[in-house]
Amino acid sequence: SNVLIQPPSVSVAPGQTARITCAGDDLGSKTVHWYQQKPGQAPVLVVYHDTDRPSGIPERFSGSKSGNTATQTITRVEVGDEADYYCQVWDSSNDHWVFGGGTKLTVL
Amino acid sequence: QVHLVESGGALVKPGGSLTLSCIVSGSSFRDDDMAWIRQPPGKGLEWVSYTTRSGRTIYYSDAVKGRFTISRENAQNALYLQLNNLRPNDTAVYYCARVGEGYGPPFDYWGQGTLVTVSS
Repeated sequence: SNVLIQPPSVSVAPGQTARITCAGDDLGSKTVHWYQQKPGQAPVLVVYHDTDRPSGIPERFSGSKSGNTATQTITRVEVGDEADYYCQVWDSSNDHWVFGGGTKLTVL
Repeated sequence: QVHLVESGGALVKPGGSLTLSCIVSGSSFRDDDMAWIRQPPGKGLEWVSYTTRSGRTIYYSDAVKGRFTISRENAQNALYLQLNNLRPNDTAVYYCARVGEGYGPPFDYWGQGTLVTVSS
């Protein structure tokens, strides 16, 4: 089954750039989505289909992929960006959706 | 703006049953594929089930297959999840979500969730 590996935590100072990775077998052939979840709230889609951004999501949020690793990049990080971030793919081999374990972004 | 509201979460004993509901507004519900995702307390997200707009194609995670049933009533803009033979590790916040477009689609809109607690 598909497993997506994320670092448990990433720390960054305000104004700096945060990069959160998501690694998985055959990720290059899958489309990756990213969600932001703040404490006590539902997840929000922030990047979809590897690089696209839903309307209303700031341009500071972007996605990329190289080989079997996808990366979500947040530029000019703000205190309000502190949240858990999850990557997600659809596994066509068994018609299952898979989430990464999540990364807690701390803004120092 | 698409709005999803879940209900039906409760405290239930192991082996018990429960039905969750999700009412959707702001979209053409009958044209939307839908899903349930859960999140145990303090843990990550786990996909549970998916249904196409017609309800003819349905998928379940291995953890719930044979115990949970997803269904929908398009005339009522309603999505359901029946949970049977509940176990303590089914304890979680259950979210309904709209499935977006494209190959390997994302979950583009989520409800606020409803808490299911399985405990004796």
